[in-house]
Amino acid sequence: EVVLTQSPATLSLSPGERATLSCRASQSVDIYLSWYQQKPGQAPRLLIYDASNRATGIPARFSGSGSGTDFTLTISSLEPEDFAVYYCQQRRNWPPLTFGGGTKVEIK
Amino acid sequence: EVQLVESGGGLVQPGGSLRLSCAASGFTFSSDGMHWVRQAPGKGLEWVSFISGNSDTIHYADSVKGRFIISRDNAKNSLSLQMNTLRAEDAALYYCTRGPNYAGRFDDWGQGTLVTVSS
Repeated sequence: EVVLTQSPATLSLSPGERATLSCRASQSVDIYLSWYQQKPGQAPRLLIYDASNRATGIPARFSGSGSGTDFTLTISSLEPEDFAVYYCQQRRNWPPLTFGGGTKVEIK
Repeated sequence: EVQLVESGGGLVQPGGSLRLSCAASGFTFSSDGMHWVRQAPGKGLEWVSFISGNSDTIHYADSVKGRFIISRDNAKNSLSLQMNTLRAEDAALYYCTRGPNYAGRFDDWGQGTLVTVSS
């Protein structure tokens, strides 16, 4: 099973700042890594798939990078609606499909 | 617009059974893979089960294998999860999700249905 480790657990930033979230896989997942955003009381939403592809309707301030075992989600300039929990997920070796533990981006 | 609407959650005793349903609309249901993903209160996301568009491929997480059964009815655009021998650790919000067939990705999510396991 591929274990995904996200860091940091919590990121405290102000609106307008740049957010950099990390996801590390226990073995290579090539580029088959997705990112999801979850706001309180809502279902998760797909942001990025296959490491760097933005899903439909996702603003350009969200970008993903990486391959193999190390991946990054970057939010170039935080908007108030971006404060949420972010999860990474791999699909290279499944079943099972696995998620990281999440990074909470909170307002500083 | 893609819509996924879950139902069937509720309170069940340990060892009991529950059947979740998901009504899908706004896409070609028979072409897409469907998954159940769950989230225990205050916890992260856990993949539960997958079924391919024509039901020829089915996968389960080890934590539910042998107890849960996923199925779909393409004529009715519906997905189901039969949950048997429920345990306290199965308590969670269960999301119905869709993605490209066999892709292992969750492009759209329902709002979830809550399962509580308690005596």
